[in-house]
Amino acid sequence: NAGVTQTPKFRVLKTGQSMTLLCAQDMNHEYMYWYRQDPGMGLRLIHYSVGEGTTAKGEVPDGYNVSRLKKQNFLLGLESAAPSQTSVYFCASSPIRRGVHQPQHFGDGTRLSIL
Amino acid sequence: ILNVEQSPQSLHVQEGDSTNFTCSFPSSNFYALHWYRWETAKSPEALFVMTLNGDEKKKGRISATLNTKEGYSYLYIKGSQPEDSATYLCACDRGSTLGRLYFGRGTQLTVWP
Repeated sequence: NAGVTQTPKFRVLKTGQSMTLLCAQDMNHEYMYWYRQDPGMGLRLIHYSVGEGTTAKGEVPDGYNVSRLKKQNFLLGLESAAPSQTSVYFCASSPIRRGVHQPQHFGDGTRLSIL
Repeated sequence: ILNVEQSPQSLHVQEGDSTNFTCSFPSSNFYALHWYRWETAKSPEALFVMTLNGDEKKKGRISATLNTKEGYSYLYIKGSQPEDSATYLCACDRGSTLGRLYFGRGTQLTVWP
């Protein structure tokens, strides 16, 4: 039972390079989220999705794009990486709200360094 | 952006000590309060989801209380052990259909043997 899987776990990029982070969940959850975690800042929401084909901006969306072409996958893209995007990225998912309060389930994180 | 505050920012205790920390949040439009335990190099794991004023939940030596009228929640750990060392996050759910959570910055607990 994998839960939420993030790929890759680590990556070093040069400024201006592009890359895509993959999040996959096998729990049939409707909602998926991308967060970044920086020292002293807690978890900040980048983008989220409430279902296949839908995405929305979170708190810090600039410099990132996302896609949810399949229900189980949520991709986070950096078109032109900047040093300010050096961070640990977490993906999370949760089931659709139907009067039951459900926690979010997190992946193990992707540590990204931009030189 | 919702202001969810956690205090203290960090806490160091000896094994066997009991400890508690606070999460404060806006009491308006409250739907649920989540607590997560986050060990270094791992992913956050859900501890509790609390919704009702006066709610109290317990998991082993960890318990939490909720006051929605004044906008705070306490997390208690009884008889702390080194394996309790982690960052404890709280997050506020304002009830949107999108399931969005607003996280505090966490309380980092270190339990010394």
